[in-house]
Amino acid sequence: GQSLEQPSEVTAVEGAIVQINCTYQTSGFYGLSWYQQHDGGAPTFLSYNALDGLEETGRFSSFLSRSDSYGYLLLQELQMKDSASYFCAVRLMDSSYKLIFGSGTRLLVRP
Amino acid sequence: DAGVTQSPTHLIKTRGQQVTLRCSPKSGHDTVSWYQQALGQGPQFIFQYYEEEERQRGNFPDRFSGHQFPNYSSELNVNALLLGDSALYLCASSLEISGANVLTFGAGSRLTVL
Repeated sequence: GQSLEQPSEVTAVEGAIVQINCTYQTSGFYGLSWYQQHDGGAPTFLSYNALDGLEETGRFSSFLSRSDSYGYLLLQELQMKDSASYFCAVRLMDSSYKLIFGSGTRLLVRP
Repeated sequence: DAGVTQSPTHLIKTRGQQVTLRCSPKSGHDTVSWYQQALGQGPQFIFQYYEEEERQRGNFPDRFSGHQFPNYSSELNVNALLLGDSALYLCASSLEISGANVLTFGAGSRLTVL
């Protein structure tokens, strides 16, 4: 089967850098996506890695290594508003219309 | 430009009842997917609609059905509700031509089954 593993919870201090890892055991997929979800809110798209390497979007960066079955989301200059759940997701090549999500990482940013 | 809108935001039903949830996709989007999100879990794919047809389905029983209308809006119906159906139901829209890599989600409908 396909699965994506993420740490359940991460805590960091405002202004710091935090990395949220996503390891996966899955067959071929198109790319790795990241979504942010605040409590009671809608998941919102953050980034997408189609190829191996680093993608940077402002304070957020995402990395993918297919050979290591591993990706991560890097958040820099943490702000209190970054406290949320973060999900990695993949779209499989053999069932290409759905996203498979990890169980999510709850990030708590402390003052 | 309105994003994805879902209704109702919250509802309570009892076991055995039926429920209909509604979704209006983001303007310009033509594809609608439905996801179920249990507390503390990631969203689970229910099905996707495109051109008013269900074109892929996840591991959900036939009690879950849907519909897409000519204006691209969509409904999710769940019959014979079970306690385990209590969850947040998310609608996500996308533009077919751009692929399915970026989804725009609504805030969801929170269903509680008693």
